[in-house]
Parts: sequence; structure tokens; C-alpha cells
Amino acid sequence: EADIYQTPRYLVIGTGKKITLECSQTMGHDKMYWYQQDPGMELHLIHYSYGVNSTEKGDLSSESTVSRIRTEHFPLTLESARPSHTSQYLCASRRVGAEAFFGQGTRLTVV
Amino acid sequence: KQEVTQIPAALSVPEGENLVLNCSFTDSAIYNLQWFRQDPGKGLTSLLLIQSSQREQTSGRLNASLDKSSGRSTLYIAASQPGDSATYLCAVNFSGNTGKLIFGQGTTLQVKP
Repeated sequence: EADIYQTPRYLVIGTGKKITLECSQTMGHDKMYWYQQDPGMELHLIHYSYGVNSTEKGDLSSESTVSRIRTEHFPLTLESARPSHTSQYLCASRRVGAEAFFGQGTRLTVV
Repeated sequence: KQEVTQIPAALSVPEGENLVLNCSFTDSAIYNLQWFRQDPGKGLTSLLLIQSSQREQTSGRLNASLDKSSGRSTLYIAASQPGDSATYLCAVNFSGNTGKLIFGQGTTLQVKP
């Protein structure tokens, strides 16, 4: 069983609100990732991190930001949510060269 | 550009049938390849990880193979069951790609009782 957790599981929020999606892992993994997935569509990498104080943008442009102050924690923030941000957000982690584990995802709806 | 492709996009088989899912990638220089399963509205569950030095990995009724030279991997599912119905995704960790996992579009499998 993978020890990677995302909260909240579901979030409905109004346009213009600031939100933070939480992702935590207790496996001591150095690499962490955020993917965005629309229903029935493929996963797109939006952010990743190699370790503490390391963050990089992924292949899909995103208005979100991330931080990595602690190894186990990789939160994603949207300063001003818009309906176009409605999607599922998936967090993953792994050690170098090893198996990746995913959280259960956060389904975000912006109304 | 480093890309991962999965064909077919959808597959429907009767229960008990053996089946093969395909994954192809554009660059043979990879660190490893991982197969995942995703149930509707859920996260991804890791099935098998194959390192670049390996030819195959097995877990229960699942067997994954890797042929780097041809840029292909297959996931073989033996004696399929309705509970195997899900979307299957492969992800490649390309060499020199700074640790990013690149996903295919997935194959949605339906196993009919």
C-alpha cells in the first residue's frame, strides 16, 4: 500500500478563490509530481520536484504554483480559481529509478 | 520529442480470455517503464515496473515485457476477469529527461462476464 495522500478528495469552489491542494508522502521519496487529468483524457505533467527547494514546470502550462519546503509535502496552489481549472489533479512520488506511487487524486470543480 | 503511445484506445473481451495491451515509445534510451491501472475517478495503482536492463516482469496473472530496441512494451493479462476492467496506462522514464514520467493515452479494458 502506497503512503501518499491527497486532500481534499473533492472540492467545489467559486471563481476567484485561492485554493491549495495538499499532497503528502511518508516514504521519504525525493521526486514528487503533479499531473492534471480531464475525464477520459490522458495525464499531463504540470509540476515536479527533485527534492527540497527544487521545483520545475512540467510539459503542460499551468497557472498553478508549487512549493517543496519539506521532503514529504508538495502542495499545489491556485491564486485565483477559474472554471477552466476544473479537472482532476493527481500527485505522485518515487525514489530515483524506482516505482512511482500515486495518491487518490483531488477532483476540483470551479463554478 | 519523447512520446508514448498506447493502442488500442479501448478493448472489450469475454471473461477468461488472455489479452495483450501495447505500449510504444519514441526513444529507446530509457531508465524504466511502469504499467498502471486506473479505475474511473480514482488515482493510479502501480502494476509492474521494468528497468531498462530487464526483459520482463511478472506479478500474478500479469506479465510485462520490454523491447527497448523496438521501443515497445506489452502487458499480458492471463485468464481475464470482470474485475480487470479498468484503464491501463504505461509511463516511461526517458534517459536524460530529468526524472519525468511520460504517459501514454491509456487502453480502456472491459471484460464481459
